[in-house]
Amino acid sequence: QVQLQESGPGLVKPSQTLSLTCTVSGDSINNGNYYWSWIRQPAGKGLEWIGRIYFTGSINYNPSLKSRVTISLDMSKSQFSLKLTSVTAADTAIYYCARDAGPSSTSFYDFWGQGTLVTVSS
Amino acid sequence: DIQLTQSPSSLSASVGDRVTITCRAGQNIGSYLNWYQQKPGKAPELLIHAISNLQIGVPSRFSGSGSRTEFTLTISSLQPEDFATYYCQQSYNTPLTFGPGTTVEVK
Repeated sequence: QVQLQESGPGLVKPSQTLSLTCTVSGDSINNGNYYWSWIRQPAGKGLEWIGRIYFTGSINYNPSLKSRVTISLDMSKSQFSLKLTSVTAADTAIYYCARDAGPSSTSFYDFWGQGTLVTVSS
Repeated sequence: DIQLTQSPSSLSASVGDRVTITCRAGQNIGSYLNWYQQKPGKAPELLIHAISNLQIGVPSRFSGSGSRTEFTLTISSLQPEDFATYYCQQSYNTPLTFGPGTTVEVK
């Protein structure tokens, strides 16, 4: 069974960098059939796509966040990571990692992490 | 960005009711439309991909239809575990976007 697990600090100060890692088990992160994605959800609100990475290193970012976001892969650890710089209170949200079947199909998220709440506050 | 709207934003229904949720896209997105269910405190779960393809393990009371810009999620007979928020999502192009959600509440 594929499992994804987010990890990282739950509290980040304004203007600092949010860093999260997603650990994948039950699948190979260099499986060419999938993208590995980050999605966030402010409390009580809808879902926002942050970006995705392919095992080749190809990356797509949401233009609304592109200047502040970096997604990377560590195949040796079966992990992919998210960095978001210069955070503000507007970046407070539950952050999810998810597997995207896009390369082999239409893009859809068939497995999700449980989500991790990141609060931006001094 | 491709905008998605959902209607209604919320609805009240009873167990056994037939429920229909509509998702409209700002442009033709072909078959690149997916549906998710989210319960409080949980990650979304995939119900349907590419308009009408039921994800493995999802009950057959869920179905999807539509084309181009208008899509529908139908629950044929609402069950107690179906009270949740439902999101549509387009994968026609990036940035991938989600609808604002429809909350199905107990009547």
